[in-house]
Order: sequence, then structure tokens, then C-alpha cells
Amino acid sequence: QSVLTQPPSVSGAPGQRVTISCTGSSSNLGANYDVHWYQQLPGTAPKLLIYANNNRPSGISDRFSGSKSGTSASLAIAGLQAEDEADYYCQSYDYRLSGSYVFGTGTKVTVL
Amino acid sequence: QVQLVQSGAEVKTPGASVRVSCKASGYTFTRHDIFWVRQAPGQGLDWMGWMNPNSGNTASAQKFQGRVTLTRSTSMTTAYLDLKNLRYEDTAVYYCARAVGPGLSTRFDSWGQGTLVTVSS
Repeated sequence: QSVLTQPPSVSGAPGQRVTISCTGSSSNLGANYDVHWYQQLPGTAPKLLIYANNNRPSGISDRFSGSKSGTSASLAIAGLQAEDEADYYCQSYDYRLSGSYVFGTGTKVTVL
Repeated sequence: QVQLVQSGAEVKTPGASVRVSCKASGYTFTRHDIFWVRQAPGQGLDWMGWMNPNSGNTASAQKFQGRVTLTRSTSMTTAYLDLKNLRYEDTAVYYCARAVGPGLSTRFDSWGQGTLVTVSS
């Protein structure tokens, strides 16, 4: 099982703002390892959405933003659009798991 | 542009082995680690291991140690995942991904399209 916990699902109406939490511990997010976020549209490979806590790769909409504090992180999606309906995963590193790169449990975002 | 192209779907029987390839292009293959991640049907992402294409050094997640082998061909700019002694629960989509960033901030900026491996008798 993953050491990064996310809510299974989040939903919102078009135009709304939703947030997804990613809760870790002292051996991963709390140990100053960065958190990264991925978007996985149905039937496709994950895509890097946010890196190093709050940075967007080139080409990613500024509607997506990230933050991190202590052992938790959050991804926010502003101005929700139908095309945002996807699974979202956080990812970091955990030193207690023999050098393990860990993913969050994943959150399904539904646009109502 | 950076591209990772994986081999096609496989159907294997329990106890067999499978090889998945990942052909890299659009960048210098030896400059970025290649990671392997799998996703069982309806499940989340599960890190399997990584390989440094320059040195050939590898590491794998504890749950896969003894069953997974990661190799590469630098001339073919291709990474390989070999998984042996397949079990039904190994049925999954297997992804390769290019790693970027320093040790404390390693992330995956480019992914292969995925290879479905089905284990069935």
C-alpha cells in the first residue's frame, strides 16, 4: 500500500475550484523531499503536471497549482473544465523504504 | 521531442517470463535514468525500479527483488524490463518513464505509452 494518502474522489461543477490533498509522513514529505503531481486521462499514460511542489512544466495551464507544507501537499485546479476529468497522483521519495519512489493512492476528479 | 516507445501487449502463462522494451529518442539516452512503473487494472501507480543507462546501475523496489531485471542497449537507446516467474497479480500496464531532477526532487517528465501484460492460463 502507498505511503502517500489521497482522497479517492473529488468533484466539482465547471468553473469551480477543487483541491486534492496528499498526506505523507516524516520519512517522505516531512523529510524535505519534493512532491510532484501527475494527471492521467482515461486510457493514457500519466503526464507531469506540477514538479518540485509548485512548479508547472512548459505547456501546463496556470489553472493548476501546487503547495506543500510539512507532511502534506495539495494540488488545486481552478476554473474546472470537462477536460480536467482524470486521475491525479502525487509522487515523492521515502527514505525508510530502501530508497523508494512512492506514488499517492490517486484521486479521481469528476466534473459534474 | 522526447519520446519513449514501448513494445506491444503480451499474454503469458503463470510462471513464464516477459520482456518489455522502451525505445528512447529525442535526447541523449545516457543522461537520464529510466524508471519502470506498473498499474494493475483499476489501481494506482506502483514504482518497480530504475536504471542508469550510462553506468548500467539498477535498483528495484523490495517487492520485485529477485524477479525483475533491468538492462539497456546504449547503441539501440533502448531499456528493457524482464520480469520472471509471472503471477496472475502481475497483470498490469507497464510504463517506462524518463527521470529528471536531483535526488531529492526526482520526477518523471516523459512516459512511454504503456505495455499491457496479461497473465492468464
